[in-house]
Amino acid sequence: AQKITQTQPGMFVQEKEAVTLDCTYDTSDPSYGLFWYKQPSSGEMIFLIYQGSYDQQNATEGRYSLNFQKARKSANLVISASQLGDSAMYFCAMREGPGGATNKLIFGTGTLLAVQP
Amino acid sequence: DAGITQSPRHKVTETGTPVTLRCHQTENHRYMYWYRQDPGHGLRLIHYSYGVKDTDKGEVSDGYSVSRSKTEDFLLTLESATSSQTSVYFCAISGGELNTEAFFGQGTRLTVV
Repeated sequence: AQKITQTQPGMFVQEKEAVTLDCTYDTSDPSYGLFWYKQPSSGEMIFLIYQGSYDQQNATEGRYSLNFQKARKSANLVISASQLGDSAMYFCAMREGPGGATNKLIFGTGTLLAVQP
Repeated sequence: DAGITQSPRHKVTETGTPVTLRCHQTENHRYMYWYRQDPGHGLRLIHYSYGVKDTDKGEVSDGYSVSRSKTEDFLLTLESATSSQTSVYFCAISGGELNTEAFFGQGTRLTVV
């Protein structure tokens, strides 16, 4: 069965430093996708980055990169040069497929990141 | 911004009354999802749809039903609202040629009194 685990309920980072948010997953489907979202205090869910299970390279989007270690079933989010505006809740998610019939999308419990000046 | 809207955005209802939340998309995406968000639980999947009239249960489906009679609309119904269903509800969509993104609606804050 699908499972997503985020073991860090909260983290602090100093402004301008890099931070890694952990995410591990479990699935028996060889085809899956991994997502990261940011939820600021205003409540909206903001899509950050996507990694497919067959992608050869780690995904990057601006200051966000995904450290994908398939054998370890981990998909950690790295935020470089943290900014005060990065303070938010971050969620990791997994979808089995594409190609599967259902494309069920499930989430971890999130990590609350606080960026300190 | 992805074309996905939820209505209503806020609702207060009484215990025992039926409530329907609507998710509308203009992206023609195949997959649609309903989640609830509660402190300490992240986003929990209630129901999802993988096509018109094709739906399945998520991990917290008790007390909820869904319908999808056309691609653009996915309705979530609380048949008889209870205080434990007070939550923030999010709709999400995914699909497209590469299916590498999943976008969320703005959320609906539901209070059952």
